[in-house]
Amino acid sequence: EDQVTQSPEALRLQEGESSSLNCSYTVSGLRGLFWYRQDPGKGPEFLFTLYSAGEEKEKERLKATLTKKESFLHITAPKPEDSATYLCAARFQGAQKLVFGQGTRLTINP
Amino acid sequence: DTEVTQTPKHLVMGMTNKKSLKCEQHMGHRAMYWYKQKAKKPPELMFVYSYEKLSINESVPSRFSPECPNSSLLNLHLHALQPEDSALYLCASSHRRGTGANEQFFGPGTRLTVL
Repeated sequence: EDQVTQSPEALRLQEGESSSLNCSYTVSGLRGLFWYRQDPGKGPEFLFTLYSAGEEKEKERLKATLTKKESFLHITAPKPEDSATYLCAARFQGAQKLVFGQGTRLTINP
Repeated sequence: DTEVTQTPKHLVMGMTNKKSLKCEQHMGHRAMYWYKQKAKKPPELMFVYSYEKLSINESVPSRFSPECPNSSLLNLHLHALQPEDSALYLCASSHRRGTGANEQFFGPGTRLTVL
């Protein structure tokens, strides 16, 4: 069964303290790996799509990378406004729907 | 423009009421989705429409009835709901079903409370 696992479940950082969130997936024909940001009570906001191992994408303080079995979301010098839940999702070959991880709740303290 | 709109933002209904949730996108996407999300959980797929035809029903109870009047609109009709159906209901759209990575863009959601 295709699975996506995110770690840690929750992460507290001080403002400016860089870190990484992990998303691992079962290796069975990945068609795309997606990162979303979700604020409380709102819909997920699309951040990145990664297609193949070695690919990297950046947006402001966020950088997403992909290997053959996991993806990382690197947060550089985060600010309190980066506090949110970050969701990872994958589409696998032959499947129509996304498989979501459980999310990482990120809190950045000023 | 990557905007998906949903109305209403909040809805409170009794177990005997009939109500509808609405979703609209003008990105030319041909696949649209309904998700249900409980607190501190990821979105859970309910239905997928592709080219205005229902292609996936994730064994959702019949008290939820989806409708896709045209390629830009998606409705979710609600009837005789239970308190455990209270959740954030999300609509999403994507370019094509099953082609490429096919990222989905989500709306802001409707917060539903069933009394």
